[in-house]
Amino acid sequence: DIQMTQSPSTLSASVGDRVTITCRASQSIRSWLAWYQQKPRKAPNVLIYKVSSLEGGVPSRFSGSGSGTEFTLTISSLQPDDFATYYCQQYDSYPYTFGQGTKLEIK
Amino acid sequence: EVQLLESGGGLAQPGGSLRLSCVVSGLTFSSYAMSWVRQAPGKGLEWVSVISDSGGRTYYADSVKGRFTISRDNSKNTLYLQMNSLRAEDTALYYCAKHTTYNHDWYHFDYWGQGTRVTVSS
Repeated sequence: DIQMTQSPSTLSASVGDRVTITCRASQSIRSWLAWYQQKPRKAPNVLIYKVSSLEGGVPSRFSGSGSGTEFTLTISSLQPDDFATYYCQQYDSYPYTFGQGTKLEIK
Repeated sequence: EVQLLESGGGLAQPGGSLRLSCVVSGLTFSSYAMSWVRQAPGKGLEWVSVISDSGGRTYYADSVKGRFTISRDNSKNTLYLQMNSLRAEDTALYYCAKHTTYNHDWYHFDYWGQGTRVTVSS
């Protein structure tokens, strides 16, 4: 199975900050990587797919980059609505696997 | 508006069974692959199973293989998960999720239901 490792597990930041979350795959997943945002007691929502493609309706302050085994999600200027948990997910091969999550907290 | 509505969760005893359903509206259900994804209390997301748009292809996580069966009824716009031989570690919120699907290949999840809770306990 492909292991997905996110860092950090928790991130404290302030409104207006630029933040980056990293996701590493245990083997190449080509470009088959998505990022999801999950708020408490809500289902996840896709932000980014295929490494860097922005899902419709997602603000442009979210961006993704990377290739092969190392990927990043960047939020250029944090807004109050962005404090949530973020998951990366590979869909290159079965079983699909998620990172353990990064909880973005208000500093 | 696309909607996914899960049902069928509840309390089951270890070794017992449950059948989850997910009714999908707002799109042509038969055109899309579908998955079940679960989330144990306070934990992260775990993919469980996927079924192709036609239902002809299915894949499972090792943790549920041989115990869970995914199926669909395209005439009823409904996805199912038959869960047998339940264990305490199957306790979770179960989401159905739609895949973006092109030419019978599927990719990331673009829509999720709100989940149905399964608790396995004696």
